[in-house]
Amino acid sequence: AQKVTQAQTEISVVEKEDVTLDCVYETRDTTYYLFWYKQPPSGELVFLIRRNSFDEQNEISGRYSWNFQKSTSSFNFTITASQVVDSAVYFCALSEAYQGYSTLTFGKGTMLLVSP
Amino acid sequence: EPEVTQTPSHQVTQMGQEVILRCVPISNHLYFYWYRQILGQKVEFLVSFYNNEISEKSEIFDDQFSVERPDGSNFTLKIRSTKLEDSAMYFCASSEREGLGAFFGQGTRLTVV
Repeated sequence: AQKVTQAQTEISVVEKEDVTLDCVYETRDTTYYLFWYKQPPSGELVFLIRRNSFDEQNEISGRYSWNFQKSTSSFNFTITASQVVDSAVYFCALSEAYQGYSTLTFGKGTMLLVSP
Repeated sequence: EPEVTQTPSHQVTQMGQEVILRCVPISNHLYFYWYRQILGQKVEFLVSFYNNEISEKSEIFDDQFSVERPDGSNFTLKIRSTKLEDSAMYFCASSEREGLGAFFGQGTRLTVV
């Protein structure tokens, strides 16, 4: 079983639409961290957010928001009023206590294509 | 803004040759990592390094791989005898402490021919 599941392989939207990228994780630890990274066409990995397992407060940063729900083991990412520059592959990742938080386990990524 | 820098951005090498991928982590960071991403696939953990030693490594990180921090600023990944399947994007990352979120470099695309 995958530890981090991003069921949406590819999503296409038109500019200004809202879009939600799903992430479901699996861990035996009670303490863990969840992350989202963005990989634009240029290839680098850009850190977007970190959330620890004790903090279920949702977070908003500009057009980005994250919904962490421990009860469903989900950490979903919503982009409001999407723009062409949001086109990228988005990765959800998990870091667990039993590994000393020393590794990130990534999902397979969701490719988001925003067209004008 | 501080960033992780990797050189070269693209390396082409012949099968069986040794390659060294170089990274300069963010200066006040203490934890260093290598990840790789085979084209079109997910990012996979290779190794983490702290206090001048490997703290974790994955199954991928076999005897052909080694890491080193030869001085106070560089962090290198060596692949001793490259195979075709080593072709991938290799990312170096660093973090101030564990669990804080790693900052990644722009990657080195390794092509083994």
